[in-house]
Amino acid sequence: EAGVAQSPRYKIIEKRQSVAFWCNPISGHATLYWYQQILGQGPKLLIQFQNNGVVDDSQLPKDRFSAERLKGVDSTLKIQPAKLEDSAVYLCASRRPGQKDTEAFFGQGTRLTVV
Amino acid sequence: AQTVTQSQPEMSVQEAETVTLSCTYDTSESDYYLFWYKQPPSRQMILVIRQEAYKQQNATENRFSVNFQKAAKSFSLKISDSQLGDAAMYFCAYRQEYGNKLVFGAGTILRVKS
Repeated sequence: EAGVAQSPRYKIIEKRQSVAFWCNPISGHATLYWYQQILGQGPKLLIQFQNNGVVDDSQLPKDRFSAERLKGVDSTLKIQPAKLEDSAVYLCASRRPGQKDTEAFFGQGTRLTVV
Repeated sequence: AQTVTQSQPEMSVQEAETVTLSCTYDTSESDYYLFWYKQPPSRQMILVIRQEAYKQQNATENRFSVNFQKAAKSFSLKISDSQLGDAAMYFCAYRQEYGNKLVFGAGTILRVKS
């Protein structure tokens, strides 16, 4: 079974530029998450999708961050414009919902550096 | 809101020795799941072990075991016979029984000395 795929692995941009990250979850996993992991901290949930609908985006800075999952499969996370404090690893994870004991699987993340 | 606290920013262990990583959490729920994840430099978050709150028996996976104290809201990870490959960042995480969101602690860096 293929894992969660993310691209790019690394990205360096200047502040005020825009950037987009891509995630392809495990086949059949209807639940998809984007987490932000700042250096030295644990991952923090940005947004959770169930198929193509948003379940939780309470911690997403909506003035600059946006995410979509149009066909309920792949997802993109965009930052526009980026700030220095957005430097972090962005992790995508997916899970098969409906069963309480299923685990979430994570991708390798995208390391974003804003200079 | 649920919170997860890992009070040890960094731990060291000699190869083949045993080390225990601490985690406490706060929740008003009675049924939930607790996890330990390992994150090596590759950044891939790997599930190490899982504990269901309704189970009194502590979970064990080969060299990894937990000490789950529900009343104290404590969930520590014991790594026996530590290996160089165990060196990584370890995160404790919480999920409600039927919830989806994982709440993570700040992590503990584990260094293994040869």
